[in-house]
Amino acid sequence: DVKVTQSSRYLVKRTGEKVFLECVQDMDHENMFWYRQDPGLGLRLIYFSYDVKMKEKGDIPEGYSVSREKKERFSLILESASTNQTSMYLCASRLMSTEAFFGQGTRLTVV
Amino acid sequence: GESVGLHLPTLSVQEGDNSIINCAYSNSASDYFIWYKQESGKGPQFIIDIRSNMDKRQGQRVTVLLNKTVKHLSLQIAATQPGDSAVYFCAERRSYNTDKLIFGTGTRLQVFP
Repeated sequence: DVKVTQSSRYLVKRTGEKVFLECVQDMDHENMFWYRQDPGLGLRLIYFSYDVKMKEKGDIPEGYSVSREKKERFSLILESASTNQTSMYLCASRLMSTEAFFGQGTRLTVV
Repeated sequence: GESVGLHLPTLSVQEGDNSIINCAYSNSASDYFIWYKQESGKGPQFIIDIRSNMDKRQGQRVTVLLNKTVKHLSLQIAATQPGDSAVYFCAERRSYNTDKLIFGTGTRLQVFP
């Protein structure tokens, strides 16, 4: 079975902190994604990566950056956390032209 | 702007009935569509997918229908069970080159006895 693991289920951070959300997949997938999920807005794409060190902005990249130094790991970085970044963050991975497999999500609260 | 949307935010059905969840999309270049189920506290799980060269695909108790003429996607669940209660999302891939999935806002399915 494909496994996508997010390092934390729950995080509480202070405004202005630098926050790292980590995601690891074990199926050698080329593509990895970060989404945030908010009530009534569904899943919105923040960033995705189609290869090591390659990344593209999604629909809402502002306030975020990403890092993909190894194929299995895709990190989402909040450079200076703000309260409007309180959300559920979901990582996914997939092979080209197939379904995406999701992690369990990280619920981030910025206070 | 272009969007993937759903007609109903909440659908309530009686156990044993069939459920139909709808999704509208506006990008005619989208070539691949997926339905996901998300239970409370979990990440989305794949249910079924369909490519744009098909108009129907069946799985176990689920059927996805694609109408490219009106840009409409639906998920049919036969004999709905309490375990089907969840939020359902449709997702589209807007072009082969980008291979990124764009999701709709979701429909909550509630199954009552």
